[in-house]
Amino acid sequence: DVQVTQSPSSLSASVGDRVTITCQASQDINIYLNWYQLKPGKAPKLLIYDASKLQAGVPSRFSGSGSGTDFTFTISSLQPEDIATYYCQQYDNLPQVTFGQGTRLEIK
Amino acid sequence: EVHLVESGGGLVQPGGSLRLSCAASGFTFSSYAMNWVRQAPGRGLEWISYISASSGTIYYADSVKGRFTISRDNAKNSLYLQMISLRPDDTAVYYCARYSYDSSGYPNRFDYWGQGTLVTVSS
Repeated sequence: DVQVTQSPSSLSASVGDRVTITCQASQDINIYLNWYQLKPGKAPKLLIYDASKLQAGVPSRFSGSGSGTDFTFTISSLQPEDIATYYCQQYDNLPQVTFGQGTRLEIK
Repeated sequence: EVHLVESGGGLVQPGGSLRLSCAASGFTFSSYAMNWVRQAPGRGLEWISYISASSGTIYYADSVKGRFTISRDNAKNSLYLQMISLRPDDTAVYYCARYSYDSSGYPNRFDYWGQGTLVTVSS
């Protein structure tokens, strides 16, 4: 099974800061990686798919990059509404998709 | 607008059963594969089951294989998850999630999710 290691597990940043989260896959997964945002009591939201493609309707301050085993998710300028937990997800070996451990983002 | 609404969660004793439902609207339900994904308290997300648009292909995670059954009724725009032999480690919020496809028809992302329904397995 493909495992994805996400870091950090938690992060505190100020409004306007640039925030970066990383995911490392246990094997080459090409660009088969997505990023989601989870807020308590709300439906999870797809932000980035195929490592770098912005889902329709998602603000452009969110971006993703990487391929192979190393991936990065970035919020260019943190907004208060971005407080959430973020997860990466690989889909190299469908249907056995796996998620990273999550990154809890807080406002400093 | 796409909407997915889960229902059927609740408190159940170990060894008990529960049936979750997911009501879909705002899209042609019969054209999309669907999934169940869960999140245990304090834990990450775990994919547990997939069903193709026609119900012809079904997969389960090893953690639920033999105990959970996924199904759908395209005439009712509904997805189901029948759960039996429930264990305390099945306690989680259960989400239904739609698969979307890339330009070649390959499923590559969960593009819409419901808000989830909480299942608590405890005596």
